[in-house]
Amino acid sequence: AQRVTQPEKLLSVFKGAPVELKCNYSYSGSPELFWYVQYSRQRLQLLLRHISRESIKGFTADLNKGETSFHLKKPFAQEEDSAMYYCALSTQGGSEKLVFGKGTKLTVNP
Amino acid sequence: KAGVTQTPRYLIKTRGQQVTLSCSPISGHRSVSWYQQTPGQGLQFLFEYFSETQRNKGNFPGRFSGRQFSNSRSEMNVSTLELGDSALYLCASSWGLSSSGNTIYFGEGSWLTVV
Repeated sequence: AQRVTQPEKLLSVFKGAPVELKCNYSYSGSPELFWYVQYSRQRLQLLLRHISRESIKGFTADLNKGETSFHLKKPFAQEEDSAMYYCALSTQGGSEKLVFGKGTKLTVNP
Repeated sequence: KAGVTQTPRYLIKTRGQQVTLSCSPISGHRSVSWYQQTPGQGLQFLFEYFSETQRNKGNFPGRFSGRQFSNSRSEMNVSTLELGDSALYLCASSWGLSSSGNTIYFGEGSWLTVV
């Protein structure tokens, strides 16, 4: 079965410190992975996807198929990065859907 | 352009009642997905509709159903409500299927409380 695990429910760092939000997945097919973010009082929105290999708001994420991970990283956290972050896996082949992890709440302290 | 619109935003229902939630996708989007969000289970996929056809369904009982109209607007219905159905119900729309890498855009959700 497809599964996305975000082991940390809460993560707290200081401004300027590096941050890494962990995401591990379980899927037998070819994975397509995403990070979604929800800022306070805003809608859930796409942050980045592994296919585009882009950096959004200083965040990057690399798909590691060997470790089945898709960790989200930023070298210098900012207070405005405080939000709820969800990792998601897109499944294909007869059971197409988007499977979300339970999310990690990131707090960046001043 | 207008985002995904969900109505009603808040509602309270009694156990045993049924509820219908509505979702208007972004103009031009043909796919609408529904998710249930709870503190304990996070975001769980309910179903996805594309061009008026249900493309996939999550692991929810038959009390949860949905439909999509020709204008891509979608409704979901929950019958015989249970206390555990209290949740935020999120609708998301995309141009194509969410599993095909299309960016999905979420609405603000409908908060359902069952008492």
